[in-house]
Amino acid sequence: DQQVKQNSPSLSVQEGRISILNCDYTNSMFDYFLWYKKYPAEGPTFLISISSIKDKNEDGRFTVFLNKSAKHLSLHIVPSQPGDSAVYFCAASANDYKLSFGAGTTVTVRA
Amino acid sequence: EAQVTQNPRYLITVTGKKLTVTCSQNMNHEYMSWYRQDPGLGLRQIYYSMNVEVTDKGDVPEGYKVSRKEKRNFPLILESPSPNQTSLYFCASSSGPVSYEQYFGPGTRLTVT
Repeated sequence: DQQVKQNSPSLSVQEGRISILNCDYTNSMFDYFLWYKKYPAEGPTFLISISSIKDKNEDGRFTVFLNKSAKHLSLHIVPSQPGDSAVYFCAASANDYKLSFGAGTTVTVRA
Repeated sequence: EAQVTQNPRYLITVTGKKLTVTCSQNMNHEYMSWYRQDPGLGLRQIYYSMNVEVTDKGDVPEGYKVSRKEKRNFPLILESPSPNQTSLYFCASSSGPVSYEQYFGPGTRLTVT
């Protein structure tokens, strides 16, 4: 049973607009959350992370929000650029060594 | 250049024929891990290693073996592959626990017929 869920398989957004990717989790022991980005024929690359002691973390155009009571996190990309077209994976960890990923959301940024 | 390499990149094999997918990193990372990616399921962790000679099971270890005899190498072994092991496999490494940035290899596309 997947403990990390990304319920939107795909997202299409106009260049320059905001992309919002959502992620829900079921394991209340998760205390660290990460987003990875993946281009076709490449391995995933780290994008941004957040600890459960925070509710927001920002890095340039990327901001991750964490709502622990709702067991929900989101990734905001502002403004969206064509190079942001990729698959985005949400991941969570309850200990130092095991990581649970969601199924991914494919983002397409339209020119 | 800091990187994680995997070989082979593509492999088609038959049921029951033992195979090994190699993984090597040049960043002196202590932590390494194997994942498989399947449609609708995302990445699932197969095995991980905290250091040389220290390995443990991830979420889907059945049918796989690993070893960590050297810090830089972490091969994935399929003793008797089956069609349900057809998947895209990724090796990853990091300098610390999974909360640290993991560096992924380019992936190995395995087909078992």
